[in-house]
Formats: sequence, structure tokens, C-alpha cells
Amino acid sequence: GIQVEQSPPDLILQEGANSTLRCNFSDSVNNLQWFHQNPWGQLINLFYIPSGTKQNGRLSATTVATERYSLLYISSSQTTDSGVYFCAVEDGRSNFGNEKLTFGTGTRLTIIP
Amino acid sequence: ETGVTQTPRHLVMGMTNKKSLKCEQHLGHNAMYWYKQSAKKPLELMFVYSLEERVENNSVPSRFSPECPNSSHLFLHLHTLQPEDSALYLCASSQQTGYEQFFGPGTRLTVL
Repeated sequence: GIQVEQSPPDLILQEGANSTLRCNFSDSVNNLQWFHQNPWGQLINLFYIPSGTKQNGRLSATTVATERYSLLYISSSQTTDSGVYFCAVEDGRSNFGNEKLTFGTGTRLTIIP
Repeated sequence: ETGVTQTPRHLVMGMTNKKSLKCEQHLGHNAMYWYKQSAKKPLELMFVYSLEERVENNSVPSRFSPECPNSSHLFLHLHTLQPEDSALYLCASSQQTGYEQFFGPGTRLTVL
């Protein structure tokens, strides 16, 4: 099956800093999502971005499908940004009705006041 | 986020108990999913339902039994679980399979 790797595994930053999280995947994808998991376990949708660039406030994401990677940018970090960030992809070879998301192992981000 | 709700939020059960997890989505979606998140492991897909029919069973032991009575509700029936089944169980829904998925808050399960 498709492999998803995220880097770095852990990141500790001072409040106000910028960060870039990376997601590499081993094959073509139909779907790519970025999630933020808060300390209570809730997965919050950040971006649905199989290709291109999107921005939402201090967050933006870029997926270069032909080179099999996606980047999540967080600018002017706040303590509430702490948590685990997951990338999840759907294999481009999935058949209709058989699509499923494969998750990476996540990047644990800690923002220090 | 009230689009996808899960109950209970926390559950402690013995290995001989029978319990059920409930998921409800208020988004008008046609696909629903169960995922398991164990410590130090990526989220694992367990089951997929599309229009109330199971379309994926990701090699899950039979002690986990899903039920989807309608497109808004999804259950996970648990019986004779093992301590290694302790995990966060997450429900998700999407407009249809292959579309953006939205997750519930999860049920944190501890098996004693």
C-alpha cells in the first residue's frame, strides 16, 4: 500500500516563530488532508488539498502531487497551535467505493510561551 | 464541532464485558468510518460504510462488530476485548467515499 512519511517527528518552537511541516508519499494520490489533533484527541480539519496551494489565516498548505509531497506552513505560532499534525492520503489507484485514507505518523508541535 | 458526535467519550471495560460505541453525523453524509488510534502507531482504518453497506473491513478481529442502521448512525459493538485493544476510537464521515473526511471527538477505551 501507499506509504506516508512526515517530518520532523517532533518540533519545539518559541511563540511567534514560523514552521514548515512536510509530508512525503510513495505514490499518486486522489486526496490529501492535513489535520491537527488537539490534546483531547479531536482531529480538526485544516486542509483538503490533493494539489495546489491553499491558505487559511496563519496556516497555508502546498501539495506538489507530481513530486509526491505536501507542506504545511504555520506562521506566527501560538501556544494553541500545539498538538500533533497529521497528513493523510488516499491512494490514487483506489477503486470507487474502496477509497480510504492512509495516515502518516504525525509531527508533534510544541509552542513555548 | 458538532457535525460528528461520539458517545461515550471515555469507557473502561473488563475483558468479559459487552459494550457499544455510538457515532452520529449531522452533515448529511453517505459514508462513515471507524478508525483506531493506538499509542505510538498511525491511525488505522477499521471499517468503511457507504450508504449503510460495509465496503471495507480492514482485517479487524471479530470481537469488533460494526453496525450501520442508517446513513447518520454508526455503532461499534465490542465483546471479549483484550488489553491491547485499549485505544482512541475515532468515527468519521464524508459526503461519499473518496471525499473530505470529518472526525468526531473519539472514545477513549481502556480494557482491564
